[in-house]
Amino acid sequence: DSGVTQTPKHLITATGQRVTLRCSPRSGDLSVYWYQQSLDQGLQFLIQYYNGEERAKGNILERFSAQQFPDLHSELNLSSLELGDSALYFCASSETGVSPLHFGNGTRLTVT
Amino acid sequence: AQSVTQLGSHVSVSEGALVLLRCNYSSSVPPYLFWYVQYPNQGLQLLLKYTTGATLVKGINGFEAEFKKSETSFHLTKPSAHMSDAAEYFCAVSDQGGNTGKLIFGQGTTLQVKP
Repeated sequence: DSGVTQTPKHLITATGQRVTLRCSPRSGDLSVYWYQQSLDQGLQFLIQYYNGEERAKGNILERFSAQQFPDLHSELNLSSLELGDSALYFCASSETGVSPLHFGNGTRLTVT
Repeated sequence: AQSVTQLGSHVSVSEGALVLLRCNYSSSVPPYLFWYVQYPNQGLQLLLKYTTGATLVKGINGFEAEFKKSETSFHLTKPSAHMSDAAEYFCAVSDQGGNTGKLIFGQGTTLQVKP
């Protein structure tokens, strides 16, 4: 058990809809990262937050947004969903802005 | 920009045989390198990491990796494969050295262990 909790584990929704994925980092970790894993793109970094502030941005679509709250949990919001957004979304956390990362078990999103 | 190439998307070995998973990296700064393992329906688990110092790094479950700067490689090895080693393995390099936790991952190598 990595200590990183992601909810829900599975999510099935229709195109055009909006969903929110939630992540609770390990106790004491200030930094949260979001990754997308798909068969064709592999593991892609989306965004990083450190103590509530955006630290780094990757290949995150404009339809996607994230935030980290004062209690350090994070949410990833995906809107106007498309079939191609179907993927496994991982959250990871680290104590500071320096690796290594500890990963949650992911949220599997299926867009129909 | 940093990048990682894992040679071989699938590797098959017999139980008890040597495991060798290949990883080459590209980095404009001294790299921080990692190997992660992913079991079915689970997240990624850190096997080992190289930051600075000793180039031979030992990790969990009997795995080790050697950082070779001249070859820009960080291959993962295990002397004797076990059935429980069957999983997907990812090599990663830290973006901008250790200044951010952003990791750039390779495409992954699926390890199959045959009885």
